[in-house]
Amino acid sequence: ETGVTQTPRHLVMGMTNKKSLKCEQHLGHNAMYWYKQSAKKPLELMFVYNFKEQTENNSVPSRFSPECPNSSHLFLHLHTLQPEDSALYLCASSQDPARGWQETQYFGPGTRLLVL
Amino acid sequence: GQQLNQSPQSMFIQEGEDVSMNCTSSSIFNTWLWYKQDPGEGPVLLIALYKAGELTSNGRLTAQFGITRKDSFLNISASIPSDVGIYFCAGQGPPRGGATNKLIFGTGTLLAVQP
Repeated sequence: ETGVTQTPRHLVMGMTNKKSLKCEQHLGHNAMYWYKQSAKKPLELMFVYNFKEQTENNSVPSRFSPECPNSSHLFLHLHTLQPEDSALYLCASSQDPARGWQETQYFGPGTRLLVL
Repeated sequence: GQQLNQSPQSMFIQEGEDVSMNCTSSSIFNTWLWYKQDPGEGPVLLIALYKAGELTSNGRLTAQFGITRKDSFLNISASIPSDVGIYFCAGQGPPRGGATNKLIFGTGTLLAVQP
């Protein structure tokens, strides 16, 4: 148990559907992250939130829309996805990636997404 | 941009053998992290290294922060079947312009252990 939970664990959706992924961290951290993990590729950072403010958008298509209502919750809203968006979506949190802090990230179990 | 080379890509060993894997970077890092990922799960942090030359153990696992700050090693001694999984290194460079550098991940080492 890493203290970071994600729901749902598995999701199948059509290209016209709208769905949301949820992440919750119970570690008292201030930063949260969305990553995409595709087969045979390094983890790809998508978004970073620090104290509820988005600090990084790694050129992610607008069909992915993040939301961070507070430091403990992070959502990823999905709409009109493409089959190539099928992947494992991982959420992570860290204490405070401010200047001078070492950034140790703790991951959730991921949501396995299949887009048909 | 920064790149991480992780090797080997995969290893197939017998139970009881020792395992060694490493990561090298094109630039210096301030932090090295080692994660293990089981199928269908997220990466789990194994060892965190924050200082050049640091050697840290976690049970049968030992990791080192290279003295050049451009590499790190993970060793697993006396492997057992439950060591099976994908091992990732991750590194973070020095802050730039007041902002923390993001973590860069290696491509992973797949470890298979034959009982």
